[in-house]
Parts: sequence; C-alpha cells; structure tokens
Amino acid sequence: QVQLQESGPGLVKPSQTLSLTCAVSGGSFSNTYYYWSWIRQPPGKGLEWVGYIYYSGRTYYNPSLKSRLSISVDTSRSQFSLRLSSMTAADTAVYYCARGIPNSGNYMDAWGKGTTVTVS
Amino acid sequence: SYDLTQPPSVSVSPGQTASISCSGDNWGNKYASWYQQKPGQSPALVMYQDNKRPSGIPERFSGSNSGNTATLTISGTQAMDEADYYCQAWDTSTETLIFGGGTKLTVL
Repeated sequence: QVQLQESGPGLVKPSQTLSLTCAVSGGSFSNTYYYWSWIRQPPGKGLEWVGYIYYSGRTYYNPSLKSRLSISVDTSRSQFSLRLSSMTAADTAVYYCARGIPNSGNYMDAWGKGTTVTVS
Repeated sequence: SYDLTQPPSVSVSPGQTASISCSGDNWGNKYASWYQQKPGQSPALVMYQDNKRPSGIPERFSGSNSGNTATLTISGTQAMDEADYYCQAWDTSTETLIFGGGTKLTVL
C-alpha cells in the first residue's frame, strides 16, 4: 500500500523559496501510470491544487502559481519535490502530497498527512 | 477559468439522506471526484468517475453527475460522516485541476 510523507521547513521568511519533499513508499512510484501531486490548504480555507509531475518528469502547474513554481522528481530516491519562490503570507498553508490517477476524472487516491508551512 | 460551486454547509439528522451539490458548466464533459476531510486529517477520496466508490468506502455513499451539477449522496448518514466534502474536476481546456470550495456536513 502506497504511503506518502511530506518533509520541509515549517517556517519560511517572506521573499524566500520554499522547498518541500514527498517520499513515496509502497512500490508504485516507478509505475508510469500515476502522477504525483502537490495540494495546499490555507488555514481555515479550502483545497488548492498546486501542480503535479509524472515519473517521466512531465509537469502540470496551477496557472496562478506557474511563474514561481517548480516540481521535480528524483527517481533514484522515490521522491518528488516542490520549490515555490517569492513566498508571501498568502502562501501560508498545509501542503499535501498525493498520488494521482489520470484519465477519466484525474483524481487522487492516496494522500500524505501534510506539512504546515508558515511564512513569517 | 472553470469554477465549481458548492453550498458552504449542509445539515442532516442521523439516519437521513444528505445531498451535497457541486455545480459547474458542462459537467457532462467532465468526471466528478469527491473527497472527505475530517478535522485535523488529510483529505480522503470517497468517490471518483462520478459514481465509483474506492475500496473501503461504505455503500451508503453514492454519486451522480447530470447536466451542470454533480451530487454526492449519503444515505443513512452517521455521526462519523460529519466532515468537509470537496468536489473536484479536471478542466481539459486549461489542463487545470479544480476543487470546489467545500461543504461542511453537520450531522445533528
């Protein structure tokens, strides 16, 4: 059964770059059928899709974040990473990583527990 | 941009049926997915491809998609179903994944 675990700094200063990593275990990371996604949730608010990446390295980004966002994959370590530059207070959120299934709806069937990022 | 609209809150009595709507243009061209999020937990998939339940999701959860509205229905609602529910779709024209604003389901 796939498991995802986010890691990264809990506190980031304004204008700095956030770097988060999601470690994937359970054996499905190399399966090219899946994609690997980041989603965030500001305090007390709803979910916002950040972007996702395939094992091949192909990426899809939220247009509102695209100019500041980079998602990469490390196949040797079964992990993928997020870099978000020019952080502001509006980027304060719980950041989740998730496994996604494309085709027929493009949904996410496994989620990490999330990591809280505060910009201050 | 493509938007999905959900009611902020829905209330239901235990044992009754709860319906959570998600409206958007041209739903018929898209599949709806639904996530349940309990306080302090990460979201969990409860419905995909409009009306398919992942393994482990009780049969009292069902889904439909018609016209401009997708609906998640919970029959015989239990206290454990109290949570926030989010609908989600993939907009192929912009290659963007969209979430609805979320609905807080209260069982009282």
